[in-house]
Amino acid sequence: AQSVTQLGSHVSVSEGALVLLRCNYSSSVPPYLFWYVQYPNQGLQLLLKYTSAATLVKGINGFEAEFKKSETSFHLTKPSAHMSDAAEYFCAVSLPSGSARQLTFGSGTQLTVLP
Amino acid sequence: KAGVTQTPRYLIKTRGQQVTLSCSPISGHRSVSWYQQTPGQGLQFLFEYFSETQRNKGNFPGRFSGRQFSNSRSEMNVSTLELGDSALYLCASSPGHPSGANVLTFGAGSRLTVL
Repeated sequence: AQSVTQLGSHVSVSEGALVLLRCNYSSSVPPYLFWYVQYPNQGLQLLLKYTSAATLVKGINGFEAEFKKSETSFHLTKPSAHMSDAAEYFCAVSLPSGSARQLTFGSGTQLTVLP
Repeated sequence: KAGVTQTPRYLIKTRGQQVTLSCSPISGHRSVSWYQQTPGQGLQFLFEYFSETQRNKGNFPGRFSGRQFSNSRSEMNVSTLELGDSALYLCASSPGHPSGANVLTFGAGSRLTVL
């Protein structure tokens, strides 16, 4: 079975600083990986996805993530944080086919951006 | 293009009652998945429907059920409500291809409070 671990349930950064949100996965086969963002009282919005093409994936709002198979990681980064980036971020994994195609989510990381 | 629409957005029920939540997917999407989000358990997969058939099911008791109609709209039902069923219920739609990365598009959710 696949699983996701997000290190750090809360991360605080200053406006303009680097954002780094950590995600490690466990999967028996090469997985698909996703980052979603959730703003208060809203659903989940896809930031980016890795589907076995380029290992460096660029997403919306200036975010990107790098798939590192040797480290089983898929960390999310943004060079310069904005106040509007404050939200909860979820890393998720799915398998290419079969009964485990549904998303398995990490526990989430709440990002706070300080002025 | 309209997004995923969930109704109602908020509802309050008492223990022992039942509730039905509705989800209208993006036009052309044939797969609808349901997730439960709670502070303690995070995001957990409930079930997925594709072409009116349940394709995958998570680890939830039989009180949780769903169905999908011929127009791909879906409903989920929770019977004999318990306090622990208080949660945000998220619906997500996708094209539903049998393999490949089916990106889920989420609705805003239905927030259920059980008193």
